[in-house]
Amino acid sequence: SQQGEEDPQALSIQEGENATMNCSYKTSINNLQWYRQNSGRGLVHLILIRSNEREKHSGRLRVTLDTSKKSSSLLITASRAADTASYFCAIRRGSYIPTFGRGTSLIVHP
Amino acid sequence: KAGVTQTPRYLIKTRGQQVTLSCSPISGHRSVSWYQQTPGQGLQFLFEYFSETQRNKGNFPGRFSGRQFSNSRSEMNVSTLELGDSALYLCASSSPGADKNNEQFFGPGTRLTVL
Repeated sequence: SQQGEEDPQALSIQEGENATMNCSYKTSINNLQWYRQNSGRGLVHLILIRSNEREKHSGRLRVTLDTSKKSSSLLITASRAADTASYFCAIRRGSYIPTFGRGTSLIVHP
Repeated sequence: KAGVTQTPRYLIKTRGQQVTLSCSPISGHRSVSWYQQTPGQGLQFLFEYFSETQRNKGNFPGRFSGRQFSNSRSEMNVSTLELGDSALYLCASSSPGADKNNEQFFGPGTRLTVL
């Protein structure tokens, strides 16, 4: 399957700590995107990283991509309670359809 | 600019019935995709429409169908509902063109419960 797989499934941290979640996949990709989903809501796009890029930043978010290991990581620095959500990676390979992993559930305790 | 809107937000149906869900994309977006989200299977792609044509289709039975209108609004229909169709149905739109990197903007979803 070309579906991305997030790891860990669940992560619980204290406010102010950093949160790291990973995404692994099995095929070559055009790009990889990270999304956030608050409980029962739609997905919000966070960052897109192309296959020829290695790192991107957006505010407190840092995404890395290692195509040789077929993995990506999302780092949230100085986490806040409002960061509590599920985080998904979506990979695009040769078609317009992104395939999503099952997500990492992040809980940030105030 | 208004975001992606989906109606209704919540729906309760019984087995055997059919249901139609609606999605209005962001103004100017011509691509609309539908996803089914369940706790067990995660986000599963249903189909994508672009300029009123189905451009891609996921691995769902024929009970799941969709269409897109000339104003880019889209509907999906599920016939002969089964308990397993209970899920959050998400619609996403993206900007015009064939760029594979297009960011998708998601609506809030329709929560369908089948009893």
